[in-house]
This record gives sequence, structure tokens and C-alpha cells, in this order.
Amino acid sequence: QVQLQQSGAELAKPGTSVKLSCKASGYTFTSYYIYWVKQRPGQGLEWIGYIYPGNGGTYYSEKFKGKATFTADTSSSTAYMLLGSLTPEDSAYYFCGRDGGALLAYWGQGTLVTVSS
Amino acid sequence: DIQMTQSPSFLSASVGDRVTINCKASQNINKYLNWYQQKLGEAPKLLIYNTNNLQTGIPSRFSGSGSETDYTLTISSLQPEDVATYFCLQHSSRPNTFGAGTKLELK
Repeated sequence: QVQLQQSGAELAKPGTSVKLSCKASGYTFTSYYIYWVKQRPGQGLEWIGYIYPGNGGTYYSEKFKGKATFTADTSSSTAYMLLGSLTPEDSAYYFCGRDGGALLAYWGQGTLVTVSS
Repeated sequence: DIQMTQSPSFLSASVGDRVTINCKASQNINKYLNWYQQKLGEAPKLLIYNTNNLQTGIPSRFSGSGSETDYTLTISSLQPEDVATYFCLQHSSRPNTFGAGTKLELK
């Protein structure tokens, strides 16, 4: 079955970077987009963008250009999101997701990023 | 970007009630509208895709309708396990955008 396993919680200082991972299993990794979504605790969802592991193509929402960078390692079926120049406003849960006949039919469990000095 | 206005923000209803949640898009999204359920501490779960298609495994008490700019999620008979926050998502154009969410509680 399709599974997306995300990396553990991160505690980072302002101005630094964190790299989150999303390991896929149960399907051909290069055949489906991986999407990333942000959710601040108790708040709504923000669509960050996506990567297509088949060719490395990416799309970023304007708000996240320069903040997020997507990569994918096809040898390990793992997608990554690098978040740079962290500020407290980046403290949030970050989810990866995949299509499955419909947009975002499958979701990872989420990774909590806390930015604090 | 397309703005999604979701209403109400909070909803309190009793078991067995019919519940409706609405999303209004700032422009025609041609039925490219999904609904998600998120329970506390969990990832969102897809309920309905492309306005009115029930995702596999989702109970038939959930249904969706709408067209152009106005869309509705209906729970025909509220169950205790439906307590959650519900989000709509338009995927007509990039960037895809979510509604702000509706928190559904039991009365």
C-alpha cells in the first residue's frame, strides 16, 4: 500500500535551515508528484508546491519561493524539502502528499518544525 | 491566486443532524474542488474529489455538490466520529489554495 513516512520533529534556530524528508513506499516513486503543505498549529493549510521525481521538475507557490527547495532521490524513493533562513513564522507542521486518482489522496504523518532561539 | 472563502468557521450540531459546509471561490474553478477531513493530531484525509466524487472507503453520508464558484460538503446524518475540521481545496489553477477550515463540534 502507498505510504509516505516523514522525518521526525526539528528544533532549529532563527536564520538556519532544516531539511525534511518524505520516504515513499508501495508504488513507483518516479510516476507521481509529491506535494508539500504547511500548517501552523491550530490554523489552516497552505499549499507550498510540488516536485515530480520523474524529471525533477518543481513548482513553488510565490509565497514560498526562496524559502523552500524541493529535491528527490530516486535511489531511495525519498523527497526532501529544504527550508532556509528560518524565522518563527516558519514554525509549523509540514506535510508531504501524493495523488492517487485525486489530488492529495495520500498524506504523510507530518513533521513539526519549531524555530526558536 | 484564487481565494477560497469557507463558511462557517465553526459549527455545532447534534448526532443525526444534516450538516452543510460551503466554499466560495473568487473565480470559476470548474468543479476542481476537493474536501478533506482533519482530526486532531492527524494528517488530512481526502473525502470528496472533483466536487462530488466520494473517495474509496469514505461513508456515503458524505457528499459534495456545486459548480462554478460555489461548492458544498454535506454530511447527511452527523456521527460522533465526524468531529473534525474540514477544508476545501481548489486545484483548478496554481497555486492550489485551501479554504480556512470549518471546525465541527457536537452539540
